[in-house]
Amino acid sequence: AAGVIQSPRHLIKEKRETATLKCYPIPRHDTVYWYQQGPGQDPQFLISFYEKMQSDKGSIPDRFSAQQFSDYHSELNMSSLELGDSALYFCASSSMGHSGAFFGQGTRLTVV
Amino acid sequence: DQQVKQNSPSLSVQEGRISILNCDYTNSMFDYFLWYKKYPAEGPTFLISISSIKDKNEDGRFTVFLNKSAKHLSLHIVPSQPGDSAVYFCAASVNSGYALNFGKGTSLLVTP
Repeated sequence: AAGVIQSPRHLIKEKRETATLKCYPIPRHDTVYWYQQGPGQDPQFLISFYEKMQSDKGSIPDRFSAQQFSDYHSELNMSSLELGDSALYFCASSSMGHSGAFFGQGTRLTVV
Repeated sequence: DQQVKQNSPSLSVQEGRISILNCDYTNSMFDYFLWYKKYPAEGPTFLISISSIKDKNEDGRFTVFLNKSAKHLSLHIVPSQPGDSAVYFCAASVNSGYALNFGKGTSLLVTP
């Protein structure tokens, strides 16, 4: 079965650069979530979208923005990158009313 | 403020025995709970969920128990197998489909 696809899997950026992470949800899933997991930390919720509209907002820095497109894929845009942004970024998708959100493999962002 | 707590960072169990992973939460609005399993460098994999209208949900070797009055849930794995060795995250949300709040995870090691 198709899973959540994230690209790229690995990304290395310098401080103050920008990065764009992409997420392709499971077909027919209408909700996308973004999570950030720092080293040794639990995943922290950043932002979510339902039917292309922002549905919830967590601890997402102002330097980050995200959107969900008409084909339901989502992009997380990160600007003015800082060393502390180095983390695993997970995207998850779900269908409203279904149990569980299904996660992608994650994008490992390293800021140097 | 950590609303979902997994107070045991690690657990070691012998193959064939029962593994019990515990989770406590503080937000009484949570009514949907999930367990995820995570291997290094992979996204969390959904295991099992339970809604607040139930106190037990079983799926094969995995059973989740919910004690709403104590704001406590647990995941039982029986019998434990070496392939179960992973980090287990407890997560909770207000309604299925909304942002998940994660615990910090418990690293389970099942020894032969």
